[in-house]
Amino acid sequence: DAGITQSPRHKVTETGTPVTLRCHQTENHRYMYWYRQDPGHGLRLIHYSYGVKDTDKGEVSDGYSVSRSKTEDFLLTLESATSSQTSVYFCAIANYRGPNEKLFFGSGTQLSVL
Amino acid sequence: AQKVTQAQTEISVVEKEDVTLDCVYETRDTTYYLFWYKQPPSGELVFLIRRNSFDEQNEISGRYSWNFQKSTSSFNFTITASQVVDSAVYFCALSGNKETSGSRLTFGEGTQLTVNP
Repeated sequence: DAGITQSPRHKVTETGTPVTLRCHQTENHRYMYWYRQDPGHGLRLIHYSYGVKDTDKGEVSDGYSVSRSKTEDFLLTLESATSSQTSVYFCAIANYRGPNEKLFFGSGTQLSVL
Repeated sequence: AQKVTQAQTEISVVEKEDVTLDCVYETRDTTYYLFWYKQPPSGELVFLIRRNSFDEQNEISGRYSWNFQKSTSSFNFTITASQVVDSAVYFCALSGNKETSGSRLTFGEGTQLTVNP
């Protein structure tokens, strides 16, 4: 299994508070992604990174920011959490060096915003 | 823009039946990649297959097989002789050209497969 750790695994917070989710990898993969999973929507890309300090927006980036100051860590921040951001958040990593490249996913973070 | 459509929200079969999960995609890229992932009740996402747009060969892996047809923009997944352990949500996904889209992976909404004993 790929070395990806998401923390925390579960979090309950209140509307208006800042929240930071962490994705840590030990694979030295270049690409890192944050997705959210909601019923009826599959997985939707929030932000992604293609290198240290290189990030770009996905399809549902409003209300989220990211940072990647070193290869192994990709942080997702909700500046002021809202109830609509209650979701399961998945981090993924990839390297795309060979013909069988694929994304490896972390175990997910269940976030509840009350 | 990329889009993946999995029209079947839920499928229920009896063990040992064959079942096909449909996936239709849209992309303007000439080079792209298609994936299937499995999400069992435990919640993790398990990679099943990756297919390049220039390789239309069908693939078989044990009881699993995939039918890729560029002419209809479809990448269907068949489970032969289904088992209870196949019960999961299955996601089809599309990744565009690495150089132009940074390998964004767009997912369909998923198909919940329930295999009853």
